[in-house]
Amino acid sequence: GDSVTQMEGPVTLSEEAFLTINCTYTATGYPSLFWYVQYPGEGLQLLLKATKADDKGSNKGFEATYRKETTSFHLEKGSVQVSDSAVYFCALTPSRSNDYKLSFGAGTTVTVRA
Amino acid sequence: GAGVSQSPRYKVAKRGQDVALRCDPISGHVSLFWYQQALGQGPEFLTYFQNEAQLDKSGLPSDRFFAERPEGSVSTLKIQRTQQEDSAVYLCASSLLSATNEKLFFGSGTQLSVL
Repeated sequence: GDSVTQMEGPVTLSEEAFLTINCTYTATGYPSLFWYVQYPGEGLQLLLKATKADDKGSNKGFEATYRKETTSFHLEKGSVQVSDSAVYFCALTPSRSNDYKLSFGAGTTVTVRA
Repeated sequence: GAGVSQSPRYKVAKRGQDVALRCDPISGHVSLFWYQQALGQGPEFLTYFQNEAQLDKSGLPSDRFFAERPEGSVSTLKIQRTQQEDSAVYLCASSLLSATNEKLFFGSGTQLSVL
């Protein structure tokens, strides 16, 4: 079945450091790919998404590019802030139409120190 | 309310007890989802409602799990005869759109601990 594997955490960084969280997927066809973020005490929220190969999703300084050839969707940010401390989840939905089920990775906890 | 509200925030149950978890979606939202998130894992799909109709319950792990949304708004996830493996955070999400995860809003979850 469809699945997502993401880099294990926790990840601890200093402010202004570069962040990469690796995510690879297994799926048939062309799934849609997502990054969700969960800030402390809050619900999951969509950070960015990409729906076809070579698309780049971006939001709040974060970027991820849908790479079909490497089945990857790595999350990057050039200069992190303390407010970026959160748990990040890579996810996908299958390419079949009307399939709304999200398959999530295990999550990566990121802590940014001042 | 402004977002998806879940109650209680924490629930401790003795093994064998029945529990009921409540989700208040954003008013007017058509789609409602339940996910189960075990410790250290990502959320896993349980069930999907479109208004009051439960269109997909393929993720419910056993017949001890039951969900309803009788008037197409508030939903309740019921777990009968709880077991230790049911310990998890139960997440509810809603969307204005149907049969999609577009514009999905998640609640903060109910953390269930079964002793």
